[in-house]
Amino acid sequence: GDSVTQTEGQVTVSESKSLIINCTYSTTSIAYPNLFWYVRYPGEGLQLLLKVITAGQKGSSRGFEATYNKETTSFHLQKASVQESDSAVYYCALGTNSAGNKLTFGIGTRVLVRP
Amino acid sequence: NSKVIQTPRYLVKGQGQKAKMRCIPEKGHPVVFWYQQNKNNEFKFLINFQNQEVLQQIDMTEKRFSAECPSNSPCSLEIQSSEAGDSALYLCASSRGVEQYFGPGTRLTVL
Repeated sequence: GDSVTQTEGQVTVSESKSLIINCTYSTTSIAYPNLFWYVRYPGEGLQLLLKVITAGQKGSSRGFEATYNKETTSFHLQKASVQESDSAVYYCALGTNSAGNKLTFGIGTRVLVRP
Repeated sequence: NSKVIQTPRYLVKGQGQKAKMRCIPEKGHPVVFWYQQNKNNEFKFLINFQNQEVLQQIDMTEKRFSAECPSNSPCSLEIQSSEAGDSALYLCASSRGVEQYFGPGTRLTVL
């Protein structure tokens, strides 16, 4: 089956510093998967942060970037300068090209940005 | 922001009781998904629908869970006889493309 492995636990970073959350995936599908980052801010629901559906492409949103690397099967999330409002739980997810197919999520990474 | 509506937000049941939760997908989204997120943050896909038809479901869903997405009515997920291990956040998502949009979830506590 499919699986997603991401940085576990909590990452604490000071405001204005850089952040990277690692995500690697494994799939038994013969097609390249679609890759997503979702975020859950405190007290809010799960939101789509960014997606990339073509290998080799980069997605970006709210200052975050992630590049779909099919050679290393990775989709790391990065931000050059974090703000306190980026404190949240981030989830890497894998899907297929079919609109009806389920997502496979990583365990989530809690990010705490210190002022 | 997602427009998926889930009710109730919180549900408390005793073991053996039925637990029912509802979801209204975003307008124009023909596919609806149900996921369970446990206390360890792990997501488990339960079932999905395209319009009113089941696309995929896992074994657990077939046995103790029932779900439907009737036309012109909210989708629903019902646990026939709740167990302590069913305590979790139940997330509904809808889509019309490859990305899915999630509701706030129903947090079920089984005492």
